[in-house]
Amino acid sequence: SYDLTQPPSVSVSPGQTAIIACSGDNLGDKYVSWYQQKPGQSPVLVMYEDYKRPSGIPERFSGSNSGNTATLTISGTQSMDEADYYCQAWDSGTAPQVAFGGGTKLTVL
Amino acid sequence: EMHLVQSGAEVKKPGESLKISCKGSGYRFTDYWIAWVRQMPGKGLEWMGIVYPDDSDTRYSPSFRGQVTVSADKSVNTAYLQWSSLKASDTAIYFCARVEQYWHMRSPLDYWGQGTLVTVSS
Repeated sequence: SYDLTQPPSVSVSPGQTAIIACSGDNLGDKYVSWYQQKPGQSPVLVMYEDYKRPSGIPERFSGSNSGNTATLTISGTQSMDEADYYCQAWDSGTAPQVAFGGGTKLTVL
Repeated sequence: EMHLVQSGAEVKKPGESLKISCKGSGYRFTDYWIAWVRQMPGKGLEWMGIVYPDDSDTRYSPSFRGQVTVSADKSVNTAYLQWSSLKASDTAIYFCARVEQYWHMRSPLDYWGQGTLVTVSS
């Protein structure tokens, strides 16, 4: 199986930039997606194919992926961005498998 | 508007069977795969398996193969996740999610159902 590692928590002050990292072996060779999950809600796709934003996702969300690390960056973080964030990539093998990171709790202090 | 609507919460006893559902609307159901994802209480997301409703092609995570069955009925635009004998450790929220392409290994899980809470307790 393919392991994706995220920090358990990240804290940021309102208006500052939050950076959430996701690491995996040669992750830069894969496409990474990011999901936001607020308490009691379903995950929502906020980034796909490393840096593409789905319709309706604010421009303050951006993504990158290179080497062994992908990052989700939230510029001008707002209190509404407080949530759990999960990275996801596909693992190749006899059949493709979805791999999720363990999740990062973003706290906006 | 695209929707994935899941069946309601279930409370079951260990050893009982269960089948939960995920009904798609607002898009061509047979053009997309449906994935199932588990979230145990207070934990992260775990991929369980995926089904292509057009031909019922099914793939499983090694962690869940043999533990659950994923299926679909394209005539009613619905995917299913079922257990033949539940355990207390199956207590979790189960999400379905849409995936455009499986073999290309780039598609995200772009739309998610609201989740089904399954509680297994004696």
